[in-house]
Amino acid sequence: AQSVTQPDIHITVSEGASLELRCNYSYGATPYLFWYVQSPGQGLQLLLKYFSGDTLVQGIKGFEAEFKRSQSSFNLRKPSVHWSDAAEYFCAVGRMDSSYKLIFGSGTRLLVRP
Amino acid sequence: SAVISQKPSRDICQRGTSLTIQCQVDSQVTMMFWYRQQPGQSLTLIATANQGSEATYESGFVIDKFPISRPNLTFSTLTVSNMSPEDSSIYLCSVESSAGGDTDTQYFGPGTRLTVL
Repeated sequence: AQSVTQPDIHITVSEGASLELRCNYSYGATPYLFWYVQSPGQGLQLLLKYFSGDTLVQGIKGFEAEFKRSQSSFNLRKPSVHWSDAAEYFCAVGRMDSSYKLIFGSGTRLLVRP
Repeated sequence: SAVISQKPSRDICQRGTSLTIQCQVDSQVTMMFWYRQQPGQSLTLIATANQGSEATYESGFVIDKFPISRPNLTFSTLTVSNMSPEDSSIYLCSVESSAGGDTDTQYFGPGTRLTVL
């Protein structure tokens, strides 16, 4: 069965520190992978996506993610966190040319200490 | 990316009533989707809405409870019928972009926060 696991429910980092949010997936074919961010009271904003090619992808707001097929992972990273990065982060997997369905992880809430 | 708006942004409703949520996109799109996000939870797909055909519902969601309309390529509505407090959630619409390098990517509206008393 297709699934996405975000093992960390909450993560707290200090402003200026580096960040890594974990995402593991289970998918029968080569997946399309996405990271979205949801600020309080807002919808979802696409941070970045991976379809193929270079396994290190750059996104908006200084985020990047690395696809590791051998580990079935797509972890999100940022070298220096800003207070405005505090939000909920969702990893998602899917292929629009098959079921057109995105499967979301349970989310990781990022708290930023001043 | 497409600009997506939803109305209302939030509402408080009495049990037993129905609410229709509108989703408007600034460009024509083939695929539109409706998701539910229950309090503190992740997103769950309710249905896929294609213009000119019946919506396709996911397991656990039925048309009588969540009727969907898709009258054209820029607009869709989701109705939450005969509401109960368990329907209190954020309802989000999304679209699959039809633009060049953005295909196979879903973009989301701001959501409708529904509270049922």
